[in-house]
Amino acid sequence: DQQVKQNSPSLSVQEGRISILNCDYTNSMFDYFLWYKKYPAEGPTFLISISSIKDKNEDGRFTVFLNKSAKHLSLHIVPSQPGDSAVYFCAASASEGRFSGGGADGLTFGKGTHLIIQP
Amino acid sequence: DAGVTQSPTHLIKTRGQHVTLRCSPISGHKSVSWYQQVLGQGPQFIFQYYEKEERGRGNFPDRFSARQFPNYSSELNVNALLLGDSALYLCASSLWQNEKLFFGSGTQLSVL
Repeated sequence: DQQVKQNSPSLSVQEGRISILNCDYTNSMFDYFLWYKKYPAEGPTFLISISSIKDKNEDGRFTVFLNKSAKHLSLHIVPSQPGDSAVYFCAASASEGRFSGGGADGLTFGKGTHLIIQP
Repeated sequence: DAGVTQSPTHLIKTRGQHVTLRCSPISGHKSVSWYQQVLGQGPQFIFQYYEKEERGRGNFPDRFSARQFPNYSSELNVNALLLGDSALYLCASSLWQNEKLFFGSGTQLSVL
C-alpha cells in the first residue's frame, strides 16, 4: 500500500505561471518531508524540505506547505521556468533530523509527478 | 568536488546470475543508502550503512546484500537475479545527523 501518494502523474504549466504539485501521505508517524527533482539519466536532486513542526518553508522560487491534519503537502514553484521541467518526487521520513537520510526505514517516496513547463 | 559516483552505469544480466554494483560517496559523507527505482515508481529503500554497519533495511529479500568499506564506499550485491530485479539502482550519500540525501546517477540493471 502506497504510504506516499502523488496522484497526478503529469502536470503542464505555462512558463511564468505558478506550478503546484501535490502529495498525500497515510502514515501518521512521518514527521519530515522532502521534495526531490529528477532529470532523465540523472539521480534525484534535493529541492526543499519541511519538518512537521512547521506548516511552510520557503527557498527562493520554491515553497512547501504542510497540512498535518489533512496529511497533505504541496510544492509551489513561482514563477515556473523551462528548466523546471522534470519529475518531482515527494518523500517522507519518520525520523526528523535525528538520523541520516531517513533513518532505519529510509525515505518513502511517491511515484512522482512529471512537470512540463510550456513556453 | 565530485558527487556520488556509481559503476557501472548500465548492466545486462540473465536470470539466476549474480551482480555487484558499486558506489563512492561524496568526500566526507560517511553514510550510504541504496534505493531501487522500477520504471514508473518512486525510489524504494533497500539499505542504509554508516561506519560500515547496516543501520537500516527495507523490505527486500535476502538475495539483496550490501557492505560498506573503510573508505566509506559501498557495494550492493544481488544473487539469483529475477526478471523483476530490472530497475535503476540508486546510491545516495549523506552526512550523519543530516536528512539530505545526495544521489548518484544510478546503475540501470536489465535482467533478461
